Order: sequence, then C-alpha cells, then structure tokens
Amino acid sequence: DGGITQSPKYLFRKEGQNVTLSCEQNLNHDAMYWYRQDPGQGLRLIYYSQIVNDFQKGDIAEGYSVSREKKESFPLTVTSAQKNPTAFYLCASSISRGRETGELFFGEGSRLTVL
Amino acid sequence: EDQVTQSPEALRLQEGESSSLNCSYTVSGLRGLFWYRQDPGKGPEFLFTLYSAGEEKEKERLKSTLTKKESFLHITAPKPEDSATYLCAVPTSGSRLTFGEGTQLTVNP
Repeated sequence: DGGITQSPKYLFRKEGQNVTLSCEQNLNHDAMYWYRQDPGQGLRLIYYSQIVNDFQKGDIAEGYSVSREKKESFPLTVTSAQKNPTAFYLCASSISRGRETGELFFGEGSRLTVL
Repeated sequence: EDQVTQSPEALRLQEGESSSLNCSYTVSGLRGLFWYRQDPGKGPEFLFTLYSAGEEKEKERLKSTLTKKESFLHITAPKPEDSATYLCAVPTSGSRLTFGEGTQLTVNP
C-alpha cells in the first residue's frame, strides 16, 4: 500500500543533541513537507520541497535543517539551536502542481521530547 | 496578511445533535480551501476540497460549504466516532498550506 512512513514514532533527546526524523513516501509525489504541531495548536510549516535537491524555508525554519537527495525521502534534523524542540512533528507529501497541491497525505507523526 | 481562523475551539455534542464548524479566511485570490480530520496522536486525514463560492461537498454525515469569506463544516446527526479535531487550510504563497488551529469535536453517546 502507498503511504508515508515516519520514524521513530517517539524520540527522547537530551538538551544539546541533534536528532534526525525520518520520512519516506512511496506515493511518487514530488512535494514533501514538514510541519510542527504543539498542543492545542494548528500545524506550522517548517520546511518544504517541491523537487529533489531543492527545498524552501517555511514559517519556523530556525533550528531545523532538511535534505532532499531522493524523491522518496525528506529527513528533518532538529538541531541544538532549536530552543523549544518538544513537539509533534508531521511529514506530508502531495502532487506539486495543479489543484491537488492542497491535498496532503500525512504520516503518523513523530513525537519528540527533550529531557 | 493571510490568516485562517476556526471557531469554536472546542465543541461538545450529544449523539444525533447536528451542528456546524466555521473556518474564516483572509487570503487574496483563493486557490482552494481544504478540510482535514485529525484523530489524537495521528496525522491529519484529507476530507474535502472546495474551490469556489457556493460549492458544496458531502461525505457521510459531513457537508462542507464555501462562501467568499468562510467555510462551514456541517455535521448531521453525529456519532461518537466523529469525535476528532477538524482542521481547515488554504494555500498561501507558493506551495504553502496555512492551517487554522482546529476545532476539537467531542460527540457523547
């Protein structure tokens, strides 16, 4: 079955450590996204990529980094520079052109807790 | 500034009690409005896309409508399994999708 796989589902990190969240899709979608969700809040865009080897900052990119070396993969690194990294992280993908660009397919999410 | 606002923040209904959720937006040149459902601890699931004022879409007990300034998600005779957070979103600059903060719906049996 096609879909998006995020791992790990739960992650604990000590302050000062970088962590990388994995996101893989087999939907053959060109566009991929990372969102952050805090309790009781909507989704905020961290980074997005419309094509391999290219990505753009979203609204809250500071303290995060991404890469897009393969169409299927869009890993997110939460660096030690991110001041408040504890959150629920969601990866999504979509067709990059046309009217379907807003129809995002989401993974199950990764919950990061900083100890 | 592009904004998406949802109301109410939370809504409690009895099973069978119909109601509506609101999503108001301020964007120039609307390129669609999208509704999602999110269960606790899960990623959002796409429900509907609306593109023009007057358009309506239905799925089971859910019906979405769109005007020039807002969208409504009507829930008819809800069941406990309809309990979830409902999110709306609109495309803003480039490929960005800006989400509202959601309405947390609880349907009691």
